[in-house]
Amino acid sequence: QQQVKQSPQSLIVQKGGISIINCAYENTAFDYFPWYQQFPGKGPALLIAIRPDVSEKKEGRFTISFNKSAKQFSLHIMDSQPGDSATYFCAASIENSGYALNFGKGTSLLVTP
Amino acid sequence: DAGITQSPRHKVTETGTPVTLRCHQTENHRYMYWYRQDPGHGLRLIHYSYGVKDTDKGEVSDGYSVSRSKTEDFLLTLESATSSQTSVYFCAISVSPAGYTFGSGTRLTVV
Repeated sequence: QQQVKQSPQSLIVQKGGISIINCAYENTAFDYFPWYQQFPGKGPALLIAIRPDVSEKKEGRFTISFNKSAKQFSLHIMDSQPGDSATYFCAASIENSGYALNFGKGTSLLVTP
Repeated sequence: DAGITQSPRHKVTETGTPVTLRCHQTENHRYMYWYRQDPGHGLRLIHYSYGVKDTDKGEVSDGYSVSRSKTEDFLLTLESATSSQTSVYFCAISVSPAGYTFGSGTRLTVV
């Protein structure tokens, strides 16, 4: 069964707007939560990651918010640009289990001009 | 992607034939992974390796086997290809706890 649930499946945002993608997990043993960005025809690429001892992490226009008690985390893309149009995957892993990542099903983001 | 190469990039094969996909890394990382990507399912782990001759099953391992005889090579074999195995296959190496580097993928079509 899907260990990480991601929503929405698709998202359309106007240029300059905020894109928000949400993920939820059940396994409290997860201790690492990365986000990956994938462009058509390419492999996913690490965008940003967070550990559960931190509630927020920001890198440029990308921010992860983490709510440990709710077992939820989200990606916020500020000032979204057409070049951000891609598929985004959240994931979770347990560090002592081979770092095998459990991925959400992905969100297709389209940023319109 | 730097340091990781998948081959072939595209393959069409017939149902019932064996198929081997190759992943090659140049960076001597211990952990390697095979995922498949399908619309509506995201990325699902098939098998992974934590060293030479050390492998383990992932979420969707039925019908697949792997081998790792050298640190740099991780092979995925479809023992008898079926149409349900039509997919895009990605190899990845773990460069940090969450920092995977993915290959460019192999698009496999089973007819």
